[in-house]
Amino acid sequence: KNEVEQSPQNLTAQEGEFITINCSYSVGISALHWLQQHPGGGIVSLFMLSSGKKKHGRLIATINIQEKHSSLHITASHPRDSAVYICAVNAGNQFYFGTGTSLTVIP
Amino acid sequence: DTAVSQTPKYLVTQMGNDKSIKCEQNLGHDTMYWYKQDSKKFLKIMFSYNNKELIINETVPNRFSPKSPDKAHLNLHINSLELGDSAVYFCASSLQSGTSGSYEQYFGPGTRLTVT
Repeated sequence: KNEVEQSPQNLTAQEGEFITINCSYSVGISALHWLQQHPGGGIVSLFMLSSGKKKHGRLIATINIQEKHSSLHITASHPRDSAVYICAVNAGNQFYFGTGTSLTVIP
Repeated sequence: DTAVSQTPKYLVTQMGNDKSIKCEQNLGHDTMYWYKQDSKKFLKIMFSYNNKELIINETVPNRFSPKSPDKAHLNLHINSLELGDSAVYFCASSLQSGTSGSYEQYFGPGTRLTVT
């Protein structure tokens, strides 16, 4: 079993919809990261969280340390949000990655 | 200005060869990383390195070795390449990592390695 589980694996949405991607982890962490991988392959760090909530533009990330769960929300989704979203956690000197959520936003 | 750069972008080579992938960051970061992304797009950390410690993922074969000539560079050397080494390799950097704290990472564009 993977230390980090994401759901859903694949997600298709209409433009303008509110999107939620979930991440659960089974290890003690110092931080959780949300990454975005574009269709061209480049990886961008969206958020790093150790508690609470962060917002950047239309993106919101939350984490519940007690429940070992994080969510990434996208408001007013747009076709340019189409990408793979990856959850990753720092556990001591180790990093563990989820398998990613492939998001397609249709115009 | 590119923050984290990797060369080459594509690398095609035969089994048994030795190859290197270079990584440079101009962000003044203390820690650099190498990741492998397999054909199923699953990312896995291979190494993290700062000027104090090298953390190796124990599942990485010793054919892989990081070499850091200075704080801004972390090159990946691979000996006796095997078919299973075919993947995309990403370099990244951050201010610090590990027991000293967690910081946002900046990724290079990736190097697609194909072993034939």
